[in-house]
Amino acid sequence: GAVVSQHPSRVICKSGTSVKIECRSLDFQATTMFWYRQFPKQSLMLMATSNEGSKATYEQGVEKDKFLINHASLTLSTLTVTSAHPEDSSFYICSARDVKGWDTQYFGPGTRLTVL
Amino acid sequence: AQKVTQAQTEISVVEKEDVTLDCVYETRDTTYYLFWYKQPPSGELVFLIRRNSFDEQNEISGRYSWNFQKSTSSFNFTITASQVVDSAVYFCALRRVNQAGTALIFGKGTTLSVSS
Repeated sequence: GAVVSQHPSRVICKSGTSVKIECRSLDFQATTMFWYRQFPKQSLMLMATSNEGSKATYEQGVEKDKFLINHASLTLSTLTVTSAHPEDSSFYICSARDVKGWDTQYFGPGTRLTVL
Repeated sequence: AQKVTQAQTEISVVEKEDVTLDCVYETRDTTYYLFWYKQPPSGELVFLIRRNSFDEQNEISGRYSWNFQKSTSSFNFTITASQVVDSAVYFCALRRVNQAGTALIFGKGTTLSVSS
């Protein structure tokens, strides 16, 4: 099946620093990728939709200047958490939409961010 | 509005018991897609099934079966003869279609604990 990777899997950073998370579709092209956030024991909340070559569409309440998304190629989208604070600590999951086949989204393994 | 409700927060069963996870959805779309994902302790989401709204045929895959009923807006998931490895959080999701893309709306998840 389709594979989506995320890097890094875990990251610990100091408050005020920026962290970049990469999401790659390894064996298919993804014109659309999605970024979700999951707090402990809670559901996944969509943060933004990323379309290759265009600006990301953010969900209501998500600060676009804080969560920078770049989708520069058909296999790579990046999420940068700028000036991270402890409340940004969360599990970030990306998914990539495979437009071929059954138009199913495949999820990455997630990135656990801890901001000290 | 589109919404997915998983009323069961936690379920505990003993191995070999059958268990049904409930999912009720709300949507105004005439065409939509429903999904079930499994999230083991590792955090990675595992795709289980995708169901189109125009296909109400129930599906069985090994010990897993799904009952889709449009009349009650439900898409329930049954695990037969549960095993310890089935312990995970299970999410039901509805595909949202809008200008931004086709993101998924997730229920809050049901945590299944299977003991030996």
